[in-house]
Amino acid sequence: QKEVEQNSGPLSVPEGAIASLNCTYSDRGSQSFFWYRQYSGKSPELIMSIYSNGDKEDGRFTAQLNKASQYVSLLIRDSQPSDSATYLCAVNRGRSGGYNKLIFGAGTRLAVHP
Amino acid sequence: GAVVSQHPSWVICKSGTSVKIECRSLDFQATTMFWYRQFPKQSLMLMATSNEGSKATYEQGVEKDKFLINHASLTLSTLTVTSAHPEDSSFYICSAPAGQGRSPLHFGNGTRLTVT
Repeated sequence: QKEVEQNSGPLSVPEGAIASLNCTYSDRGSQSFFWYRQYSGKSPELIMSIYSNGDKEDGRFTAQLNKASQYVSLLIRDSQPSDSATYLCAVNRGRSGGYNKLIFGAGTRLAVHP
Repeated sequence: GAVVSQHPSWVICKSGTSVKIECRSLDFQATTMFWYRQFPKQSLMLMATSNEGSKATYEQGVEKDKFLINHASLTLSTLTVTSAHPEDSSFYICSAPAGQGRSPLHFGNGTRLTVT
């Protein structure tokens, strides 16, 4: 079982729609969860961080965390073509990694079409 | 915001040579930095944790004698790919936590290494 799993996609949504990206993780000791966006050939950039169960909203982005189900998701409202990128879910390695050692999922490629 | 600078952004080298990649935290101190590698259409794979003033810790399967890491100061970590081979061609990215506790990682712009 992979430590962090994501559907590779591509996830195709029309402009203005809600894009829903999902991620599951295996380490119950994980405490920090992040979503990064990565454009082709570029390094990842932080979109959202979430540490507690529930929802966290920032502009058009909402992160959702359910530790009991070991599940974290990202919703993008009013999707724009510029949101087209690969979205990486990252989770800290709880047992021995401390807060900052992040393990990444394979990423979900999002395509927003006009 | 926190800025991590990585240099060079790309490098082409011949098989058998060594390449050094620098990672600097520009406006904060980083006792720990992380080195990742990303092959085309794959995710980031953690290679090693760079610790200021002590030895790096390597992930399983990463050869420490091939990927030399030196964290000489609180703002600089270097990764040297020794005796590079074509299969080492990849996108190498460093990162550092911007603060204490549960801080997110901030990434450098990455180094595209091509070994011919």
